[in-house]
This record gives sequence, structure tokens and C-alpha cells, in this order.
Amino acid sequence: DTGVSQNPRHKITKRGQNVTFRCDPISEHNRLYWYRQTLGQGPEFLTYFQNEAQLEKSRLLSDRFSAERPKGSFSTLEIQRTEQGDSAMYLCASSFPPFSGGKLNEQFFGPGTRLTVL
Amino acid sequence: DQQVKQNSPSLSVQEGRISILNCDYTNSMFDYFLWYKKYPAEGPTFLISISSIKDKNEDGRFTVFLNKSAKHLSLHIVPSQPGDSAVYFCAASPDVLFGNEKLTFGTGTRLTIIP
Repeated sequence: DTGVSQNPRHKITKRGQNVTFRCDPISEHNRLYWYRQTLGQGPEFLTYFQNEAQLEKSRLLSDRFSAERPKGSFSTLEIQRTEQGDSAMYLCASSFPPFSGGKLNEQFFGPGTRLTVL
Repeated sequence: DQQVKQNSPSLSVQEGRISILNCDYTNSMFDYFLWYKKYPAEGPTFLISISSIKDKNEDGRFTVFLNKSAKHLSLHIVPSQPGDSAVYFCAASPDVLFGNEKLTFGTGTRLTIIP
């Protein structure tokens, strides 16, 4: 299966702890996006990468959040000193590079990591 | 500010009939629109898209209509099937080649198909 995968699927942590999530995009995709979805809302953009370069960060991404994509393949999203307000579904998506036949906007999502902060 | 709005949180439709899901947007920079379908415990799945140079796009049972002057789009599913029961998200982005194609999503409409 060559879809987007995310690990872990669920994470429960205590307030103040650090957590890290991993996303493996579709292998031929060079763009990778992180979104966050809270209950009753649609996904909200957090940040995106083209290969290993992080090109934009949303104002939603506070200093406690950091994302990396060191070799342009998988990505990690770390949240330091978690707060209860960080409880959400964290979604990763990827898309084809330009001129490959796909449209950049057509992003393929993984199943998400559900974070619960107690 | 909610730039993409789905004003109906839920919709119930009889199996075999037409389902119509609506979406409005406020940002004039949006040129590309997508519909995603989401089942519980799964990520959103891309369904169909439309560029602002078109007013209609069809793919099997799914048709998306775009009224750019009204900043309104709709998704028609006909005939509706029980497997269509899911949450549907409308999303929008600028239609660019090298810019940031981040998607702005609506809040979703939960569609229930009644057998």
C-alpha cells in the first residue's frame, strides 16, 4: 500500500509532556502538509514542506510546535510541554510535484494521529 | 473568520435520491475547490475538484457546480447510496503552480443516507 501513513494512531499524554508524531508520505510526493482538526471543525493548516525545506508555518503553530523533514521523505511533528488545548487530530497530507500530472492542491491525507492531553 | 462555510451541519437523504451539499466562500483569491469525504477514524479522502475556469465537473455519481459570482459551490450525488454516509468537507485554495497550496476547509456536513 502506498498511501500516507501516520504513527502513532492514538496518543494519550499528561499535560506538560512532550510528544512526537511521524508521517510517511506517498513516496513520489515532494510536498508534505500538516493540519490539525478539532471537534466540529474542518482541518486547519499548520505547516508545509517542499522536500526538506519548511516553507510556511501558520500562526496556529506556537513555539512549542516544531516540524522537520530531514531527508525530504518522512516528517515529524513535535509538541513540547503539551497543554489540554493541544488535544486534536493531527493530519498529514502529501501531494505531487508540479508538472507530474497531478494537481498540487489535490492532497492525499493519512489517517491522522489523535492526541489526548489529560 | 470562516473563509469557507458549510451552513448545514447535517443532511439526511433517502437512498436512490439526490444529495446536494452546499458550500460558500468569501476569499476572492480562491480559484480551486475540492470536496473531501471523511469516515470516522480515517483521514479525509479526496472526492472531486473544480477549477474556477469551469462551472461544472463530473465524476461518475458526483458532480460539483461552481458559481463564481455568488462564491458558491455545491456537490451533487446521484443516486445516493448507503456507503455515501460520511462527513463531507468543502476546501479551497489559490490555483497556483508553485505557491502554497494550503487548503482552507469548511466545517463539514454530515450526510446520512437512509435505506
